[in-house]
Amino acid sequence: DAKTTQPPSMDCAEGRAANLPCNHSTISGNEYVYWYRQIHSQGPQYIIHGLKNNETNEMASLIITEDRKSSTLILPHATLRDTAVYYCIVRVNRGSTLGRLYFGRGTQLTVWP
Amino acid sequence: DAGVIQSPRHEVTEMGQEVTLRCKPISGHDYLFWYRQTMMRGLELLIYFNNNVPIDDSGMPEDRFSAKMPNASFSTLKIQPSEPRDSAVYFCASSSYSPGSEQYFGPGTRLTVT
Repeated sequence: DAKTTQPPSMDCAEGRAANLPCNHSTISGNEYVYWYRQIHSQGPQYIIHGLKNNETNEMASLIITEDRKSSTLILPHATLRDTAVYYCIVRVNRGSTLGRLYFGRGTQLTVWP
Repeated sequence: DAGVIQSPRHEVTEMGQEVTLRCKPISGHDYLFWYRQTMMRGLELLIYFNNNVPIDDSGMPEDRFSAKMPNASFSTLKIQPSEPRDSAVYFCASSSYSPGSEQYFGPGTRLTVT
């Protein structure tokens, strides 16, 4: 089962920052927070992940609260091509093997001109 | 790298027929995942392999579904016999191991069973 809660939809004006929230109140100490997105009819695409510290890459920034119970994905300058479903995922570890990724329903982000 | 390759991209078949979906993971990746996506159930993990060995197949819906990975560069997902409720988009993904290893998804196979 998905261990995250996200709003079903959000919208954002082109050029503005898109801030997508995610709650993961039952996250364990060794679980990572991942973000993926899925543009219509395509396979999901990895965006970013983090454990405790804030992270930034060429696509987005990830802000994780100090208690790790929630996080925010920030797209600093949203474009029309960022319209997609965004999934926040907590990665479950199982021993030393890679764990399952549980994709919930995600947030449909619509960027409008 | 060409990324994860899946074939066919589209498959239309009649109920009762056998369907085989194929996947070539990214070279050097030692994990391979099969997912199914429907409107009703969203994106579900069916099975995943590590070094060609099935690790977790708890998501496989029933005995009609089977998956194999005969070598590091090829995997199949077979449905026999197929049913209309199997209609979905099937994705294959691969990853390498590290504490934060991301999964790379293929373009998917859209299966329609009539």
